[in-house]
Amino acid sequence: AQSVTQLGSHVSVSEGALVLLRCNYSSSVPPYLFWYVQYPNQGLQLLLKYTSAATLVKGINGFEAEFKKSETSFHLTKPSAHMSDAAEYFCAATKGGSNYKLTFGKGTLLTVNP
Amino acid sequence: ETGVTQSPTHLIKTRGQQVTLRCSSQSGHNTVSWYQQALGQGPQFIFQYYREEENGRGNFPPRFSGLQFPNYSSELNVNALELDDSALYLCASSQPGTEETQYFGPGTRLLVL
Repeated sequence: AQSVTQLGSHVSVSEGALVLLRCNYSSSVPPYLFWYVQYPNQGLQLLLKYTSAATLVKGINGFEAEFKKSETSFHLTKPSAHMSDAAEYFCAATKGGSNYKLTFGKGTLLTVNP
Repeated sequence: ETGVTQSPTHLIKTRGQQVTLRCSSQSGHNTVSWYQQALGQGPQFIFQYYREEENGRGNFPPRFSGLQFPNYSSELNVNALELDDSALYLCASSQPGTEETQYFGPGTRLLVL
């Protein structure tokens, strides 16, 4: 069964610092990969997705992620954190086929300190 | 273009009752999925509907059931509610050709007492 692991349930950075949120997937076949953001008491907003077109994927709000097959990783980065980036971030994967169920990691709470 | 909408936003039920949650898919989207997100956890896949047929189900008991209508709106029904059913229920829709990309609604927060 496919699984997604997010290293670090809580990441704290200073405003203006680099944001790095880690995600590893387990799959013999590279899946579709996604990062979603969830603000308090809201649903999930799609940040970016990897669908095999390019290994470096740019998303909204200045975020980007790099797919590394050799490391089975899809880490999310942003060069300079903003206070508004404080939220929960989820990495997700789907292999497609008969259906497109998303398998999510447990999430990483990002705190941005002034 | 309107996004995915869900109703109600919040709901309180007692153990043993039944509940129906509703979802309106984004315009042009014919695939809808439902997820359960317990507090402090990532969403868990419940099931997916495509053209009014269930085409995938997660590890949830039969008392979780769903429907998709011709206009692609959807319902999630849960019978015999248990305390552990308390969670945020998320609906997501996707469009033909990019079914892997799912867009989520704001969710329905269900509390079972």
